[in-house]
Amino acid sequence: ILNVEQSPQSLHVQEGDSTNFTCSFPSSNFYALHWYRWETAKSPEALFVMTLNGDEKKKGRISATLNTKEGYSYLYIKGSQPEDSATYLCAFSPSNDYKLSFGAGTTVTVRA
Amino acid sequence: NAGVTQTPKFQVLKTGQSMTLQCAQDMNHNSMYWYRQDPGMGLRLIYYSASEGTTDKGEVPNGYNVSRLNKREFSLRLESAAPSQTSVYFCASSEESAWASTTDTQYFGPGTRLTVL
Repeated sequence: ILNVEQSPQSLHVQEGDSTNFTCSFPSSNFYALHWYRWETAKSPEALFVMTLNGDEKKKGRISATLNTKEGYSYLYIKGSQPEDSATYLCAFSPSNDYKLSFGAGTTVTVRA
Repeated sequence: NAGVTQTPKFQVLKTGQSMTLQCAQDMNHNSMYWYRQDPGMGLRLIYYSASEGTTDKGEVPNGYNVSRLNKREFSLRLESAAPSQTSVYFCASSEESAWASTTDTQYFGPGTRLTVL
């Protein structure tokens, strides 16, 4: 069982503000880091898959960075909108034959 | 294109009852997964199947059995339900081949909310 931690557990953001939150994972071995977005009453949907130290991914106003040596990834939301309200999950794998371990998620609520 | 479908959406069981959760995907994916999601915890892997005819235990397999009926379908069975199995169950699939690449995106079904009284 791998320890994948996400912080904070929840956050509230004013519409138009930017925010970021963290996924921490064991730094001893690294293979892949996934970010998923999970809206209430829907299924989790993939945002990014990151495999290399220093990776930066972007999709619209959402971006992510990866530091495998220190064991963390940041997810950024620029200019938050109400439709960004969701729980953001990260999932980590230390090797190709080790299944993904999910964090508990960061729940983002964007207030209009 | 339906993606990953799960039935039922909701279920209430009494302790000791049995039931099977059904999952099907139409994306021709090799790998399929069953997770449970409990408040304050991440998705935890119950069982997975890397290909038709193969299944392996995940992090929390006790109290569950699975069947990979064919490439499309992967069912989860609770033989004797317990209150500790009250949870939301998600099925997922990914394209991964039998040698399992964890860089592949997983596609999730809508979930089954199970309550065991």
